[in-house]
Amino acid sequence: DAGVIQSPRHEVTEMGQEVTLRCKPISGHDYLFWYRQTMMRGLELLIYFNNNVPIDDSGMPEDRFSAKMPNASFSTLKIQPSEPRDSAVYFCASSFTSVNPTDTQYFGPGTRLTVL
Amino acid sequence: AQSVTQLGSHVSVSEGALVLLRCNYSSSVPPYLFWYVQYPNQGLQLLLKYTSAATLVKGINGFEAEFKKSETSFHLTKPSAHMSDAAEYFCSAGGTSYGKLTFGQGTILTVHP
Repeated sequence: DAGVIQSPRHEVTEMGQEVTLRCKPISGHDYLFWYRQTMMRGLELLIYFNNNVPIDDSGMPEDRFSAKMPNASFSTLKIQPSEPRDSAVYFCASSFTSVNPTDTQYFGPGTRLTVL
Repeated sequence: AQSVTQLGSHVSVSEGALVLLRCNYSSSVPPYLFWYVQYPNQGLQLLLKYTSAATLVKGINGFEAEFKKSETSFHLTKPSAHMSDAAEYFCSAGGTSYGKLTFGQGTILTVHP
Protein backbone atom coordinates (compact mmCIF):
# COMPACT_ATOMS: atom_id res chain seq x y z
CA ASP A 1 0.00 0.00 0.00
CA ALA A 2 1.22 3.50 -0.79
CA GLY A 3 0.22 4.83 2.60
CA VAL A 4 -1.57 8.11 3.21
CA ILE A 5 -0.91 10.51 0.36
CA GLN A 6 -0.96 14.27 0.78
CA SER A 7 -0.57 17.01 -1.76
CA PRO A 8 1.02 19.38 -2.18
CA ARG A 9 4.02 18.71 0.07
CA HIS A 10 4.86 22.39 0.20
CA GLU A 11 2.66 25.39 -0.39
CA VAL A 12 3.66 29.03 -0.30
CA THR A 13 0.91 31.58 -0.74
CA GLU A 14 0.10 35.15 0.04
CA MET A 15 -2.24 36.35 2.73
CA GLY A 16 -5.82 36.41 1.56
CA GLN A 17 -5.47 33.62 -0.96
CA GLU A 18 -7.43 30.39 -0.85
CA VAL A 19 -5.46 27.27 -0.01
CA THR A 20 -6.61 23.70 -0.58
CA LEU A 21 -4.82 20.74 0.92
CA ARG A 22 -5.57 17.24 -0.28
CA CYS A 23 -5.46 13.80 1.26
CA LYS A 24 -5.94 10.27 0.04
CA PRO A 25 -6.32 7.83 2.94
CA ILE A 26 -5.23 4.21 2.94
CA SER A 27 -7.73 2.10 1.04
CA GLY A 28 -10.23 0.45 3.37
CA HIS A 29 -9.72 2.84 6.25
CA ASP A 30 -12.93 4.33 7.64
CA TYR A 31 -11.52 7.15 9.77
CA LEU A 32 -9.72 10.22 8.46
CA PHE A 33 -8.10 12.89 10.60
CA TRP A 34 -6.69 16.35 9.87
CA TYR A 35 -4.02 17.70 12.22
CA ARG A 36 -2.03 20.91 12.37
CA GLN A 37 1.47 21.06 13.83
CA THR A 38 3.19 24.27 14.96
CA MET A 39 6.07 24.99 17.29
CA MET A 40 3.85 26.98 19.62
CA ARG A 41 0.84 24.66 19.86
CA GLY A 42 2.27 21.26 18.99
CA LEU A 43 0.03 18.74 17.24
CA GLU A 44 -3.65 19.70 17.17
CA LEU A 45 -6.57 17.69 15.86
CA LEU A 46 -8.67 19.89 13.58
CA ILE A 47 -11.41 17.56 12.41
CA TYR A 48 -12.09 13.91 11.81
CA PHE A 49 -14.43 11.88 9.65
CA ASN A 50 -15.94 8.43 9.96
CA ASN A 51 -17.26 6.86 6.77
CA ASN A 52 -16.99 10.26 5.08
CA VAL A 53 -19.12 11.99 7.72
CA PRO A 54 -17.57 14.70 9.92
CA ILE A 55 -17.69 13.52 13.53
CA ASP A 56 -15.90 16.23 15.46
CA ASP A 57 -14.83 19.59 14.06
CA SER A 58 -14.31 21.29 17.40
CA GLY A 59 -10.63 21.76 16.63
CA MET A 60 -11.21 23.83 13.51
CA PRO A 61 -9.86 27.24 14.47
CA GLU A 62 -12.45 29.42 12.76
CA ASP A 63 -14.84 29.72 9.87
CA ARG A 64 -12.01 30.31 7.45
CA PHE A 65 -11.26 26.60 7.72
CA SER A 66 -13.45 23.96 6.10
CA ALA A 67 -13.00 20.27 5.36
CA LYS A 68 -14.83 17.87 3.12
CA MET A 69 -14.72 14.19 2.37
CA PRO A 70 -16.79 13.59 -0.77
CA ASN A 71 -15.84 9.91 -0.93
CA ALA A 72 -13.85 7.27 0.91
CA SER A 73 -10.66 7.97 -1.00
CA PHE A 74 -10.39 11.74 -0.90
CA SER A 75 -10.55 14.63 1.53
CA THR A 76 -9.75 18.33 1.35
CA LEU A 77 -8.91 20.96 3.92
CA LYS A 78 -9.53 24.49 2.69
CA ILE A 79 -8.46 27.80 4.17
CA GLN A 80 -10.14 30.88 2.78
CA PRO A 81 -8.82 33.51 3.21
CA SER A 82 -5.44 32.42 4.45
CA GLU A 83 -3.48 34.36 7.07
CA PRO A 84 0.19 34.26 8.13
CA ARG A 85 -0.77 32.59 11.44
CA ASP A 86 -2.07 29.62 9.44
CA SER A 87 1.53 28.74 8.54
CA ALA A 88 2.10 25.23 9.84
CA VAL A 89 2.51 21.63 8.79
CA TYR A 90 -0.83 19.98 8.14
CA PHE A 91 -1.08 16.21 8.51
CA CYS A 92 -3.71 13.83 7.35
CA ALA A 93 -4.04 10.44 9.04
CA SER A 94 -6.32 7.47 8.56
CA SER A 95 -7.24 4.38 10.50
CA PHE A 96 -9.43 1.32 10.34
CA THR A 97 -11.32 1.37 13.57
CA SER A 98 -14.53 -0.58 13.16
CA VAL A 99 -15.02 -1.55 16.80
CA ASN A 100 -11.51 -1.32 18.24
CA PRO A 101 -10.42 2.15 19.39
CA THR A 102 -6.84 1.01 19.70
CA ASP A 103 -6.26 0.81 15.99
CA THR A 104 -3.29 2.72 14.74
CA GLN A 105 -3.53 6.03 12.96
CA TYR A 106 -1.32 6.16 9.87
CA PHE A 107 0.02 9.58 9.04
CA GLY A 108 0.80 11.14 5.72
CA PRO A 109 4.03 13.07 5.11
CA GLY A 110 2.33 16.40 5.70
CA THR A 111 1.90 19.64 3.80
CA ARG A 112 4.12 22.51 4.89
CA LEU A 113 2.09 25.69 4.41
CA THR A 114 3.68 29.11 4.44
CA VAL A 115 1.43 32.16 4.23
CA LEU A 116 3.32 35.36 3.50
CA ALA B 1 -10.96 15.76 29.42
CA GLN B 2 -8.06 13.48 28.86
CA SER B 3 -4.59 14.99 28.80
CA VAL B 4 -1.11 13.72 28.06
CA THR B 5 2.01 15.27 29.54
CA GLN B 6 5.51 14.62 28.31
CA LEU B 7 8.18 15.66 30.78
CA GLY B 8 11.04 17.35 29.02
CA SER B 9 10.73 18.90 25.60
CA HIS B 10 14.36 18.02 24.83
CA VAL B 11 16.39 15.00 25.90
CA SER B 12 20.03 14.52 24.99
CA VAL B 13 21.94 11.25 25.35
CA SER B 14 25.20 9.79 24.17
CA GLU B 15 25.26 6.97 21.66
CA GLY B 16 24.98 3.69 23.55
CA ALA B 17 23.34 5.27 26.61
CA LEU B 18 19.91 4.52 27.99
CA VAL B 19 17.02 6.45 26.49
CA LEU B 20 14.15 7.39 28.83
CA LEU B 21 11.29 9.55 27.60
CA ARG B 22 8.57 10.27 30.12
CA CYS B 23 4.83 10.35 29.58
CA ASN B 24 1.98 10.75 32.05
CA TYR B 25 -1.69 10.69 31.27
CA SER B 26 -4.78 11.74 33.14
CA SER B 27 -7.97 9.87 32.68
CA SER B 28 -10.69 8.27 34.73
CA VAL B 29 -11.08 5.66 32.03
CA PRO B 30 -8.35 3.08 31.35
CA PRO B 31 -6.72 4.50 28.27
CA TYR B 32 -5.16 3.13 25.19
CA LEU B 33 -1.67 4.55 24.92
CA PHE B 34 0.65 5.04 21.98
CA TRP B 35 4.14 6.26 21.25
CA TYR B 36 4.79 7.76 17.85
CA VAL B 37 8.08 8.90 16.33
CA GLN B 38 8.55 11.73 13.84
CA TYR B 39 11.73 11.97 11.83
CA PRO B 40 12.58 15.33 10.23
CA ASN B 41 10.23 16.32 7.43
CA GLN B 42 8.15 13.17 7.82
CA GLY B 43 4.81 12.20 9.28
CA LEU B 44 4.36 10.35 12.54
CA GLN B 45 4.80 6.60 12.65
CA LEU B 46 3.79 4.20 15.37
CA LEU B 47 6.48 2.86 17.69
CA LEU B 48 4.25 0.84 20.00
CA LYS B 49 0.85 0.77 21.64
CA TYR B 50 -0.69 -0.41 24.89
CA THR B 51 -4.08 -2.06 24.67
CA SER B 52 -4.63 -3.38 28.23
CA ALA B 53 -2.88 -6.68 27.59
CA ALA B 54 0.72 -6.94 28.83
CA THR B 55 1.90 -3.90 30.77
CA LEU B 56 5.34 -4.06 29.16
CA VAL B 57 5.00 -3.33 25.48
CA LYS B 58 7.73 -3.91 22.94
CA GLY B 59 7.87 -1.83 19.80
CA ILE B 60 10.00 -1.34 16.77
CA ASN B 61 13.68 -0.35 16.74
CA GLY B 62 14.33 -1.79 20.20
CA PHE B 63 11.99 0.55 22.07
CA GLU B 64 9.67 -0.55 24.84
CA ALA B 65 7.27 1.11 27.26
CA GLU B 66 5.77 0.08 30.55
CA PHE B 67 2.23 0.95 31.60
CA LYS B 68 2.01 1.78 35.30
CA LYS B 69 -1.54 2.48 36.35
CA SER B 70 -0.60 3.53 39.88
CA GLU B 71 1.66 6.22 38.46
CA THR B 72 -0.51 6.99 35.38
CA SER B 73 2.67 6.70 33.37
CA PHE B 74 3.77 5.17 30.10
CA HIS B 75 7.47 5.93 29.81
CA LEU B 76 9.43 4.95 26.71
CA THR B 77 12.85 3.35 27.02
CA LYS B 78 15.62 1.92 24.91
CA PRO B 79 18.69 0.32 26.50
CA SER B 80 21.22 1.67 24.02
CA ALA B 81 20.70 4.78 21.91
CA HIS B 82 21.69 4.87 18.28
CA MET B 83 22.33 7.93 16.16
CA SER B 84 19.35 6.99 14.01
CA ASP B 85 17.05 7.36 17.06
CA ALA B 86 17.36 11.16 16.86
CA ALA B 87 13.81 12.34 16.24
CA GLU B 88 10.78 13.79 17.98
CA TYR B 89 8.67 11.40 20.03
CA PHE B 90 5.01 11.82 20.85
CA CYS B 91 2.99 10.07 23.51
CA SER B 92 -0.73 9.86 22.87
CA ALA B 93 -3.84 8.46 24.50
CA GLY B 94 -7.15 7.30 23.15
CA GLY B 95 -10.20 5.36 24.20
CA THR B 96 -12.35 8.04 25.75
CA SER B 97 -13.62 9.48 22.49
CA TYR B 98 -13.85 6.89 19.82
CA GLY B 99 -11.25 7.25 17.12
CA LYS B 100 -9.72 10.37 18.65
CA LEU B 101 -6.23 10.58 20.11
CA THR B 102 -4.84 13.18 22.51
CA PHE B 103 -1.17 13.93 21.89
CA GLY B 104 1.51 15.20 24.23
CA GLN B 105 3.68 18.15 23.27
CA GLY B 106 6.50 15.95 22.02
CA THR B 107 10.08 15.30 23.16
CA ILE B 108 13.01 15.92 20.85
CA LEU B 109 15.69 13.28 21.32
CA THR B 110 19.25 14.21 20.41
CA VAL B 111 21.92 11.52 20.27
CA HIS B 112 25.56 12.55 20.55
CA PRO B 113 28.41 10.45 19.17
